[in-house]
Amino acid sequence: EPEVTQTPSHQVTQMGQEVILRCVPISNHLYFYWYRQILGQKVEFLVSFYNNEISEKSEIFDDQFSVERPDGSNFTLKIRSTKLEDSAMYFCASSEAVAGRNTGELFFGEGSRLTVL
Amino acid sequence: KNQVEQSPQSLIILEGKNCTLQCNYTVSPFSNLRWYKQDTGRGPVSLTIMTFSENTKSNGRYTATLDADTKQSSLHITASQLSDSASYICVVSAWWEYGNKLVFGAGTILRVKS
Repeated sequence: EPEVTQTPSHQVTQMGQEVILRCVPISNHLYFYWYRQILGQKVEFLVSFYNNEISEKSEIFDDQFSVERPDGSNFTLKIRSTKLEDSAMYFCASSEAVAGRNTGELFFGEGSRLTVL
Repeated sequence: KNQVEQSPQSLIILEGKNCTLQCNYTVSPFSNLRWYKQDTGRGPVSLTIMTFSENTKSNGRYTATLDADTKQSSLHITASQLSDSASYICVVSAWWEYGNKLVFGAGTILRVKS
């Protein structure tokens, strides 16, 4: 069964360092997302990406964050200068576009746990 | 403001028992409502997706109901198993120009004990 894969599963970094989280969405999906979940809290939307550009971003997704689809398969989230409060589980998700309206099922990866020291 | 409220916050039941989780929402314009199961430290996995016209949908021992008039949904788990221990997240989707905007609830943490 196709799945969304994420690497690394866990990354520990020092405050101020740059981090890149990688995702390989399901191959025929056209919508890509990043979410984060701080320990014990709800899942929060960061950004959605469609047709090689950001379609929406939340207030959390400030100038320290960026996303990229560098090739036909990878979708990356970069945090330029990590802060302690960036410690969280980051989930990548993808879904299949349906007639321009994304009503399809959202498939999540297993997450990348980021710990900022 | 688009919000999704879930209750109870947490629940402990004995293996084999049934339980019902609640979700109330104020999301507009409504597109669909999804229930996800999230095991600890894992990504959410979809259980059901219901559109405006659907009142009930089942997936094995999971049955979701939707009342679009009162903006309420429930997830009923029958004959619970230890593996049902997880967080159950209600997610309501609103239409917008480029697709769907998903509003997440905080989840109900279910623990099934033997």
